[in-house]
Formats: sequence, structure tokens, C-alpha cells
Amino acid sequence: NAGVTQTPKFQVLKTGQSMTLQCAQDMNHEYMSWYRQDPGMGLRLIHYSVGAGITDQGEVPNGYNVSRSTTEDFPLRLLSAAPSQTSVYFCASTPLRGGRSTEAFFGQGTRLTVV
Amino acid sequence: AQSVSQHNHHVILSEAASLELGCNYSYGGTVNLFWYVQYPGQHLQLLLKYFSGDPLVKGIKGFEAEFIKSKFSFNLRKPSVQWSDTAEYFCAVSPSGTYKYIFGTGTRLKVLA
Repeated sequence: NAGVTQTPKFQVLKTGQSMTLQCAQDMNHEYMSWYRQDPGMGLRLIHYSVGAGITDQGEVPNGYNVSRSTTEDFPLRLLSAAPSQTSVYFCASTPLRGGRSTEAFFGQGTRLTVV
Repeated sequence: AQSVSQHNHHVILSEAASLELGCNYSYGGTVNLFWYVQYPGQHLQLLLKYFSGDPLVKGIKGFEAEFIKSKFSFNLRKPSVQWSDTAEYFCAVSPSGTYKYIFGTGTRLKVLA
């Protein structure tokens, strides 16, 4: 059981480049989310999804797009990278029990540097 | 706005010392509460969680936390820390009926051998 798998682990981008951070889970969890982790700021929610075909914005969505075509996959796209997007990105999946969230399971993270 | 406060940003302890990390949240309704730990270079792992029932919850590795509803607090404790407890600790709140987590800013714990 792989859990939540994120790729790549490390990435360096030039300002203006685009890329997609991949996230896949094999636990059949309905809810998936993306966070960014910055020093002194904890984890902030970027986008989330409660199921295939449904996505919504979190606290810091600007500059990021997501889609959820399958239950398993929840990619995060940076359309035009900016230095302010240098961060560590975590994907998480959460099973919904009777509509209530339970514990989130996190991927290993992607350390992104934008130069 | 909903928020989670962790007042201790950096904590340094010697091995065998007792630990208490504070967590307070602002939300008027029912919440689910969590403590996650992040060891250096690793992802977040669940230490313990509170949904309902006994407000004193026990987690892995000897950690426990107490939910005090009147104080909107969920402090993490461990009677005797070990060098291997060196990590960053995050408190998180999930308002019931939502699927969102609100994280605190984290507390970096360093345990000296």
C-alpha cells in the first residue's frame, strides 16, 4: 500500500516556466488537498477536492490550478512560476466517514525552487 | 476568521525533560483536533487526534494531548522526551462538517542528548 505518492521530490524552475506536481493515492479517499509549507507560516491550503470532478479554492489559490479527473490523482499546476512560489508542497488525502473528515495522510512533499 | 495558534515557535529541551506544547484555536463550533509531527526531511505523520469522548487522548510514542473546550486548547504533552523526538510539531483543527484543516505555524523541538 503506497499511500500518497508525490512526484517529483525536488524541482528547480525558472521564473515564467510552467509545471505540474503530481499526486496519487491508492486508498480510495474522497478528499484530496494541496498545501504549501513556508517557514514560520505552517501549512496553508491551496486547493482541495471532495471527489472526482469537484475542486475548490483554499486559502492561497492564486497562481495554481488543479483538476480531479479520477479519485486517485490530483495534480497541481503552476502556470507561470514566480519566486514567491518557492516552497515545499504537500499533497494529502483524507477518507470521509459519513461526510465527516478524519485524519489526513500526507505525501513526502515536493521542494520547489523558482529562480 | 478561523485560526490556530502555537505560541512556542522553538523549544530546546534536554533528554528526559517533560514537554508541553501549547495549541489554541479560534472557532465557535465543534471541531476535530490533531497533532502532526514532521521529522527532518520527512512528511507529516499523525501523532494523535481527538474527535469526541474522553478529552485526554493518547497517541504514538508516549505523546498525549488534552482538549479543554472552555479554553479552546489542545496542548500536547510528553513526560520524558528523547533525542529522537527532535522534529517540528503541528497542531491542526478541522471544523466538523467541513473537510478543511487549519494548521498552526508549528513548533520546532530540539532535544539535546
